[in-house]
Amino acid sequence: GAVVSQHPSWVICKSGTSVKIECRSLDFQATTMFWYRQFPKQSLMLMATSNEGSKATYEQGVEKDKFLINHASLTLSTLTVTSAHPEDSSFYICSARWALVYNEQFFGPGTRLTVL
Amino acid sequence: GNSVTQMEGPVTLSEEAFLTINCTYTATGYPSLFWYVQYPGEGLQLLLKATKADDKGSNKGFEATYRKETTSFHLEKGSVQVSDSAVYFCALTPYNNNDMRFGAGTRLTVKP
Repeated sequence: GAVVSQHPSWVICKSGTSVKIECRSLDFQATTMFWYRQFPKQSLMLMATSNEGSKATYEQGVEKDKFLINHASLTLSTLTVTSAHPEDSSFYICSARWALVYNEQFFGPGTRLTVL
Repeated sequence: GNSVTQMEGPVTLSEEAFLTINCTYTATGYPSLFWYVQYPGEGLQLLLKATKADDKGSNKGFEATYRKETTSFHLEKGSVQVSDSAVYFCALTPYNNNDMRFGAGTRLTVKP
């Protein structure tokens, strides 16, 4: 149980376009979902935290208008990278928290974004 | 604030060698502690966890003990295999808090 999926697993887009990444909890209802960014050979950096039906809370330095997060249901959160540029190229990982499991997050497999 | 300090890599070992990756933390109260493993091009997989002092997490031959007195959660394995080559992340979640903090990650390479 507690499986999180992400779609797509990789995406290549042109500079200036927008890209949407989906994060789904497949077999549980996620009270909270998180979005992380990981640069090559670096650790995960928390971008934002989202609760179903409310606005996401962004970490300091993360542009809200660039990284749009929508947590439409207890099983789906989306991250839209708007007007993407090459510096947005990165590995994006989502995670979800399940109320039945104390203090743990379940991670998706990640999405590799390359902006040309 | 809450933070995790992890032994810097990369670490290169021969097959069947003993592995230790050090991890210390700073947190108020009693955080939950985790080790995650990341294989190339993949997301994070939970390796083991401990939620209170003196707990020992174990999985696939890996072990880590939650030491409150030394604020540590060192990862150990008695005999590594080539398939253990990956990046290992130590992480914590503060008590009753969503916010997970990660160490910098340690890249392990095991040579045959």
